[in-house]
Amino acid sequence: EADIYQTPRYLVIGTGKKITLECSQTMGHDKMYWYQQDPGMELHLIHYSYGVNSTEKGDLSSESTVSRIRTEHFPLTLESARPSHTSQYLCASSELGAGGYTFGSGTRLTVV
Amino acid sequence: GENVEQHPSTLSVQEGDSAVIKCTYSDSASNYFPWYKQELGKRPQLIIDIRSNVGEKKDQRIAVTLNKTAKHFSLHITETQPEDSAVYFCAALFTNFGNEKLTFGTGTRLTIIP
Repeated sequence: EADIYQTPRYLVIGTGKKITLECSQTMGHDKMYWYQQDPGMELHLIHYSYGVNSTEKGDLSSESTVSRIRTEHFPLTLESARPSHTSQYLCASSELGAGGYTFGSGTRLTVV
Repeated sequence: GENVEQHPSTLSVQEGDSAVIKCTYSDSASNYFPWYKQELGKRPQLIIDIRSNVGEKKDQRIAVTLNKTAKHFSLHITETQPEDSAVYFCAALFTNFGNEKLTFGTGTRLTIIP
């Protein structure tokens, strides 16, 4: 079934560790996004991509980085995790010109 | 820059009554307005959307209205049920130099009281 998949679902790591949150979609969408969201709160755009080798920073300043080497894959990396990074990270994708986003199930990150 | 304001931030409604959530947007060129529902612990899911060439759209108990002149749009839920309890987000599609992305409202936590 075409969908957008995020792994891991939950992650607890120590301060200073490097982590990569995975996001893959099988819908053939060109556009992909990363949002940071505290549970039930605002969605903050941190990165987006309009296609392969295209990445842009979003509205919320973030210490993370992203890459888009393949259409279906849009991983997010934190080089050195801090407790302030504790949050839920949602990946989404959309088709150019279509408007609506499909969200992944999210990764709930806790940095201790 | 683009901006979407959403009100109220919380809403409690007796089961069976109607709920209305309102949003305003800043860019008059916006032409697509989706609504997302996010249940506790789950991903946001698209429940209804409207494009700027229509003023109203319905899907069973859910309807969305759009007033382009006033730059506002609203979500209407009739005959509310406990499963309608969730956080709802409105959004507007903004285009900047050919690149388009959604700007989301800040969310409305809807609670249906049995």
